[in-house]
Amino acid sequence: GEDVEQSLFLSVREGDSSVINCTYTDSSSTYLYWYKQEPGAGLQLLTYIFSNMDMKQDQRLTVLLNKKDKHLSLRIADTQTGDSAIYFCAESRGSGTYKYIFGTGTRLKVLA
Amino acid sequence: EPEVTQTPSHQVTQMGQEVILRCVPISNHLYFYWYRQILGQKVEFLVSFYNNEISEKSEIFDDQFSVERPDGSNFTLKIRSTKLEDSAMYFCASRPTALATYNEQFFGPGTRLTVL
Repeated sequence: GEDVEQSLFLSVREGDSSVINCTYTDSSSTYLYWYKQEPGAGLQLLTYIFSNMDMKQDQRLTVLLNKKDKHLSLRIADTQTGDSAIYFCAESRGSGTYKYIFGTGTRLKVLA
Repeated sequence: EPEVTQTPSHQVTQMGQEVILRCVPISNHLYFYWYRQILGQKVEFLVSFYNNEISEKSEIFDDQFSVERPDGSNFTLKIRSTKLEDSAMYFCASRPTALATYNEQFFGPGTRLTVL
């Protein structure tokens, strides 16, 4: 199928690490992305990873990619209340159009 | 920094009416997209547009939908006869070229469409 799956909710305490998981379907996807959506707002690109990479670190964000299992994760270190949002993974598909297929979204709640 | 803009931010319409959602992509971008997000659900691809024609469309994008780039700056999504289930947030996105770094699409802030 075409679904990109994520767990629906995650709740963490401020200062802890958050790990958001994603399972995608198209092994030919060249790039995978993490987007953040705050309430009532648009989509903000957080980070991306190229499919030939296993890991990418960008300040507090660490992306891990397991191509064999088609599993992508986003780790947020030292999670802050401002990180509370919905996080979408997305894969870029299609030769030419490179449309995005978004995951179902994970709502992260950070408790003070 | 250049950004994608969308108007209006919120559109309320009666069922059966036509609506036009407008987007101004980043200038010099060549690929344009529309996505929608029904409240509480994931973001879904609707259509991609390149070189003045549709390059791909989803099953959602039926005959009631059309896209147009009427001039060098605007990119519009028209829904001919709106249905209740068309109520959603509609996002426009644009991308520079096929050789752009990491294929990033730049998203607008969205237009919330409410069909009554």
